[in-house]
Amino acid sequence: DQQVKQNSPSLSVQEGRISILNCDYTNSMFDYFLWYKKYPAEGPTFLISISSIKDKNEDGRFTVFLNKSAKHLSLHIVPSQPGDSAVYFCAANGNNAGNMLTFGGGTRLMVKP
Amino acid sequence: EAGVAQSPRYKIIEKRQSVAFWCNPISGHATLYWYQQILGQGPKLLIQFQNNGVVDDSQLPKDRFSAERLKGVDSTLKIQPAKLEDSAVYLCASSLEFSGATYEQYFGPGTRLTVT
Repeated sequence: DQQVKQNSPSLSVQEGRISILNCDYTNSMFDYFLWYKKYPAEGPTFLISISSIKDKNEDGRFTVFLNKSAKHLSLHIVPSQPGDSAVYFCAANGNNAGNMLTFGGGTRLMVKP
Repeated sequence: EAGVAQSPRYKIIEKRQSVAFWCNPISGHATLYWYQQILGQGPKLLIQFQNNGVVDDSQLPKDRFSAERLKGVDSTLKIQPAKLEDSAVYLCASSLEFSGATYEQYFGPGTRLTVT
């Protein structure tokens, strides 16, 4: 039972354009969401997060949008750069879950120069 | 600030053999996590420690996997005996002590295990 799903295994975008990565969840107890970025042979690194009391959080080129009614969140990267090429994981946490994260399967982003 | 350290980085063993992984978390981080990441999937939590106590090990296959965190700092994860389906990257992460809010988890580079 996958509680966090990233339905697009890969995404290819031209440099300078917008990248939109999507994530869906099923557990209504999730109230905090994070995006992690992973380069090959490295561990995931934290990118940006959002609490369920918000519907948008922005940090530089990265913006995360949360639609609680649809149980959907998205990560927007504008403008996309070749260095953004990596695997992006969506993760979710419920406040009564002891900081345990449930991860999606990841989306591989390729930004072409 | 030094990151999460893991060793070894790569390990190849035959099925039914034993293997152990080591993790040293970021200094001052009370919470430590072990994840299993199978190729093409997201990380799956195996066990979470708060200091030297286990918070959750519900997804740890206890018939073959064991983990300990003596003295609340370093941790080891052991598989005995290994099966082919244990081939994966084993990630260690740490975070500040959980107190009702979600804290960012910092990941180590992982250990890639291949069971032949």
